[in-house]
Amino acid sequence: GENVEQHPSTLSVQEGDSAVIKCTYSDSASNYFPWYKQELGKRPQLIIDIRSNVGEKKDQRIAVTLNKTAKHFSLHITETQPEDSAVYFCAASITGYSTLTFGKGTMLLVSP
Amino acid sequence: DAGVIQSPRHEVTEMGQEVTLRCKPISGHDYLFWYRQTMMRGLELLIYFNNNVPIDDSGMPEDRFSAKMPNASFSTLKIQPSEPRDSAVYFCASSPGLAGERTYNEQFFGPGTRLTVL
Repeated sequence: GENVEQHPSTLSVQEGDSAVIKCTYSDSASNYFPWYKQELGKRPQLIIDIRSNVGEKKDQRIAVTLNKTAKHFSLHITETQPEDSAVYFCAASITGYSTLTFGKGTMLLVSP
Repeated sequence: DAGVIQSPRHEVTEMGQEVTLRCKPISGHDYLFWYRQTMMRGLELLIYFNNNVPIDDSGMPEDRFSAKMPNASFSTLKIQPSEPRDSAVYFCASSPGLAGERTYNEQFFGPGTRLTVL
């Protein structure tokens, strides 16, 4: 089955810096890659996703890139703010299948 | 829509007791998922249903765990007997399903149930 590796497990940045979280996947058939944000004590919520037919997608301060050849995808957060502090999960899925395989998560801490 | 609803939000019980967690998915969603979240193991998929039918329960840790979905608007996850190592946050999520041009599934999570087994 699919295996998703996520790095780093923790990331500390200063407010205003950029943050990058990287994930690799094992199943070349995977073609949907969502990112979820989980604030402390809250539920995971989708923040951005990318399909395999595009290499990059942006939404304001967040962007996701996908390299299908290398089987890795990354989340980029620019101009980080304290409210970006949370655990971020990447996931992978295959069209036609309903399940997501999640990475172990990255705890992002943005210091003022 | 109120989103995915879970109850109780917090449960504290003693080892050996039966625990029942409840979930109401978003109306119209065809898929329902039960996850367990711990610091050590992250988000683990326990079981999922499609149109009320269990599809894959390979993530259920052992026979002490069981899940049901008697109708489209209700599911339960039961642990009997409970053990301290079952302490975790249990999330229910639902998804609209695969239909027509919608081939990518966003999962909507409930608020979770924090279970503590003493």
